[in-house]
Amino acid sequence: EDQVTQSPEALRLQEGESSSLNCSYTVSGLRGLFWYRQDPGKGPEFLFTLYSAGEEKEKERLKATLTKKESFLHITAPKPEDSATYLCAVQPLDGAGSYQLTFGKGTKLSVIP
Amino acid sequence: EAQVTQNPRYLITVTGKKLTVTCSQNMNHEYMSWYRQDPGLGLRQIYYSMNVEVTDKGDVPEGYKVSRKEKRNFPLILESPSPNQTSLYFCASSVSQQPYNEQFFGPGTRLTVL
Repeated sequence: EDQVTQSPEALRLQEGESSSLNCSYTVSGLRGLFWYRQDPGKGPEFLFTLYSAGEEKEKERLKATLTKKESFLHITAPKPEDSATYLCAVQPLDGAGSYQLTFGKGTKLSVIP
Repeated sequence: EAQVTQNPRYLITVTGKKLTVTCSQNMNHEYMSWYRQDPGLGLRQIYYSMNVEVTDKGDVPEGYKVSRKEKRNFPLILESPSPNQTSLYFCASSVSQQPYNEQFFGPGTRLTVL
């Protein structure tokens, strides 16, 4: 069974204080790992897809990296508007669940001015 | 504007009263999906559809039905709702037949079953 574990559950940062969110996964074969951002009361918003170990992608203050067992979302010099819940999801390469995403429970990030 | 719409946004109902939550996308996407989100459990997939007339179960399909008669619409049907189906529901769509492209999520439907 595919599993996605995100840590920490919640993270409070001062504005400008860089940090990383972790997503550990167990999947028989990985088609893709995804990062989404979710603001309160809204649907998730796509950030990145990573396909293979060693891959990195960046968007503004966010950088996502991937290894064979985990992914990190690095946040550099965060601003209050980066406050949100960040969700990680995986899609297996094949098998019964290969058309599905399995999501982690998310990390709630709060950036204090 | 490219978007996924859901209706209703909020619904309070009683046990056993059949209801339908509609989902529509205007992006000509192949893949559509329904999720529920519960505190402490995260997003869990209910059903998905890879194209018209092609649907399959996700991780938590019990108590739900779906249909995909048109490409743009993917309604979620609760034949006999129960209190454990109280949740926040999201519909999503993706351009290909698989979700590994960007999924666009709707704004959510908050359902309360008394």
